[in-house]
Amino acid sequence: QKEVEQDPGPLSVPEGAIVSLNCTYSNSAFQYFMWYRQYSRKGPELLMYTYSSGNKEDGRFTAQVDKSSKYISLFIRDSQPSDSATYLCATWRSYSSASKIIFGSGTRLSIRP
Amino acid sequence: SAVISQKPSRDICQRGTSLTIQCQVDSQVTMMFWYRQQPGQSLTLIATANQGSEATYESGFVIDKFPISRPNLTFSTLTVSNMSPEDSSIYLCSVPGQGAYEQCFGPGTRLTVT
Repeated sequence: QKEVEQDPGPLSVPEGAIVSLNCTYSNSAFQYFMWYRQYSRKGPELLMYTYSSGNKEDGRFTAQVDKSSKYISLFIRDSQPSDSATYLCATWRSYSSASKIIFGSGTRLSIRP
Repeated sequence: SAVISQKPSRDICQRGTSLTIQCQVDSQVTMMFWYRQQPGQSLTLIATANQGSEATYESGFVIDKFPISRPNLTFSTLTVSNMSPEDSSIYLCSVPGQGAYEQCFGPGTRLTVT
């Protein structure tokens, strides 16, 4: 079983729609939960992070973590064509002398004008 | 955040050859990382490169296949040796961001092996 599972999509929605992107994870020891956004031919960039359970809002973006069900979500309100990208969920845990970020495989999102 | 550049941005190589990818950072950093991003697969850490010491490789990756150099605090190279079509992938270097949960990535090198 992969440590972080993510539906690869692709997901195509009309402009203005609410987008829901989701991941599940397997290890309850994970502490931080992140969403990275990757535009075509670019490296991923950190969009948002959440520590432990709960919601975090940043403009049109809301990140949600439910540790009881090991579920991570990203909601995009009033989606724009500029939101078209691949979104990668990720988790971080510290173990022994090293820390390592675990990434999902990414969901490709397309917003239709 | 750090500005990272990679060379080449893309390349098409023949089976059995080697390619060296360069990563340049605009500030001094202790740790640099190399990742592989295969189509439909998770972004996977290949190795961690610290200046002045040998790179630390993740399970499934070996130095003979992916030798890494780290001559100073702003530069690193990753070589993909004796390439096969299975090595076709995007290779990204990164450096730590403001938090332990953050990585700042370069634009990537898109490698196709024929």
